[in-house]
Amino acid sequence: EVQLVQSGAEVKKPGESLKISCKGSGYSFTSYWIGWVRQMPGKGLEWMGIIYPGDSDTRYSPSFQGQVTISADKSISTAYLQWSSLKASDTAMYYCARLPSARGGFDYWGQGTLVTVSS
Amino acid sequence: SYELTQPPSVSVSPGQTARITCSGDALPKKYAYWYQQKSGQAPVLVIYEDSKRPSGIPERFSGSSSGTMATLTISGAQVEDEADYYCYSTDSSLSRRFGGGTKLTVL
Repeated sequence: EVQLVQSGAEVKKPGESLKISCKGSGYSFTSYWIGWVRQMPGKGLEWMGIIYPGDSDTRYSPSFQGQVTISADKSISTAYLQWSSLKASDTAMYYCARLPSARGGFDYWGQGTLVTVSS
Repeated sequence: SYELTQPPSVSVSPGQTARITCSGDALPKKYAYWYQQKSGQAPVLVIYEDSKRPSGIPERFSGSSSGTMATLTISGAQVEDEADYYCYSTDSSLSRRFGGGTKLTVL
């Protein structure tokens, strides 16, 4: 069974750093892309970026380029999304999801990680 | 930039057919995908590559695409189908985009 299990909810202050994770299981982690999707409170889905854990090829949405870093550790089948300096506007639910190909859509999704940034 | 446009809301009575549209300039050449998101839950893929249904998705869900418009059809909508629905696609530069989402009300 394909599963993507994300790390737990986080509460941070503006300016702090954060790294959240997404662990894949039930499939060959290095053979599928993993993407990150943001959902701000009461809003729609926004694609942030994708990574191919097999060779760490990474693509960012222009809207998120330079704002976040996506990485992966294939030895532990885990992808990451990180911020160096959080802002209140980063408060959102973040989902990881699997893509069978860079040209396709997401098929399996993680349960989401709620990030709250507040002073 | 590439946009996918959906109606904000659609409302039907139980047993009726619900149709949710998604328009985008690249849809004649790119596949559309559809996701269902119930309140407080992660999205779930209900249609991929315009019209294919993943295993476990009820047969009442179907998809089609013609020209610049893709359509998700729920034949005989049930109360449990009430959710937000998002279309998704890519463009020629592999930029990817979600539509703004459509709130389906079944009552």
